[in-house]
This record gives sequence, structure tokens and C-alpha cells, in this order.
Amino acid sequence: DAKTTQPPSMDCAEGRAANLPCNHSTISGNEYVYWYRQIHSQGPQYIIHGLKNNETNEMASLIITEDRKSSTLILPHATLRDTAVYYCIVRVAFNFGNEKLTFGTGTRLTIIP
Amino acid sequence: DAGVTQSPTHLIKTRGQHVTLRCSPISGHKSVSWYQQVLGQGPQFIFQYYEKEERGRGNFPDRFSARQFPNYSSELNVNALLLGDSALYLCASSFRRGQDYEQYFGPGTRLTVT
Repeated sequence: DAKTTQPPSMDCAEGRAANLPCNHSTISGNEYVYWYRQIHSQGPQYIIHGLKNNETNEMASLIITEDRKSSTLILPHATLRDTAVYYCIVRVAFNFGNEKLTFGTGTRLTIIP
Repeated sequence: DAGVTQSPTHLIKTRGQHVTLRCSPISGHKSVSWYQQVLGQGPQFIFQYYEKEERGRGNFPDRFSARQFPNYSSELNVNALLLGDSALYLCASSFRRGQDYEQYFGPGTRLTVT
């Protein structure tokens, strides 16, 4: 699985959009980009994933560059409850039964009141 | 629907003892994975089981073992506990959506080895 690079920490004002970058310059054509977050001492929570098209769900939007070497997770209106560690993970899909996720150290996002 | 459940929530053990952690996946999920998360680090993959068979194993010693039962619940066993085994142990279950899958984590079991 391709390695990812994320800033160790970020701050964002409450109510503003939080934009979390992730670099994955060695991503392969069959690898997806996944985002999880982990609120203090809880299990990681799935947010969103995508292959090459931009994706949006009720939690966030995922913007993947055309060359797929980087992506941005967008939380449109950040709240204090979005304070968490956010993990960007790249992995091969189409391989059900081998679902290992390789977590890095993530980005610690702090929402400022 | 109930999410992934794990028991116990907290556990304190002494060096040299063994421990069994339990996980119940989301109803309908047949795949269970185990992760270890030490303080300040991201979760590290230990095992994955699908349909009661081991499908993946991380870089952990043989003191760590697991199994999956016919109802898809799972146990993680750790023998001869070391201080370094103190961590949050996470269980995740997954289901296939088309040609991809989604994985959901439980709240974890906090193990402290003294």
C-alpha cells in the first residue's frame, strides 16, 4: 500500500471549513484513498473514500487531484465535535478478505471556538 | 443497528498473565480485524479473519493469536503479557459494497499491563 504524508496538526475556527491535505505521490491505479478519524480514546470512524472522482457524503467531501497524487478532506462547517486525529490511508481494493488498513500518525485537527 | 461491540472495556493484568478480548461484529458482517494502538501512534494491524479463516497477520509475535466463531464473533488472545502490550485493542468488522468494502471499528478494549 502506498505511503501517505499528512501535516501533524492543524487548527480551524468553529463554523469554518476545515481542509485537511494528504500527499500520496506513489499511489497506484487500483488504490483507493480512505479517510478515518479518531476522537480521543474511541475507535476510528470511517468518513469517506474515493478512487479518482470527487466524493461527498453527509460528513465530508473528498477532493482528489487529477494525477491522484494528493487529496483534501473537507469538513464544510467544522464544529467542536470534529476535534480529532484524521487519518488518510491508501489501499488496494478489489481484494476482499485482505482488508488491512495501514495507519500513519495522522493530522490532529483542533477546532477553535 | 448495534455497532461493533467489544468486551471488556478496560482490563488490568500483570506481566506473564494471559488475556482474552472479545468482539462482536455488526450483524451481517463476516470479516473481523484486530488492531493494537499504543499511546501516541496510529492503530497497527494484528489479524484479519473472514469466514473463520485467518486472512492476514501483522508483524506481531506468536504470543498473539485469534479465532473467529461460526456467528462471526472473534477473540484475541495474548499470552505471557509484557508491559509493552499495554494498549487500546480495536476490533473492526467490514462488509462488501460492490467491489469495495467499508470497515467499522468498535470502541476498543484498554489493556494495562503492570
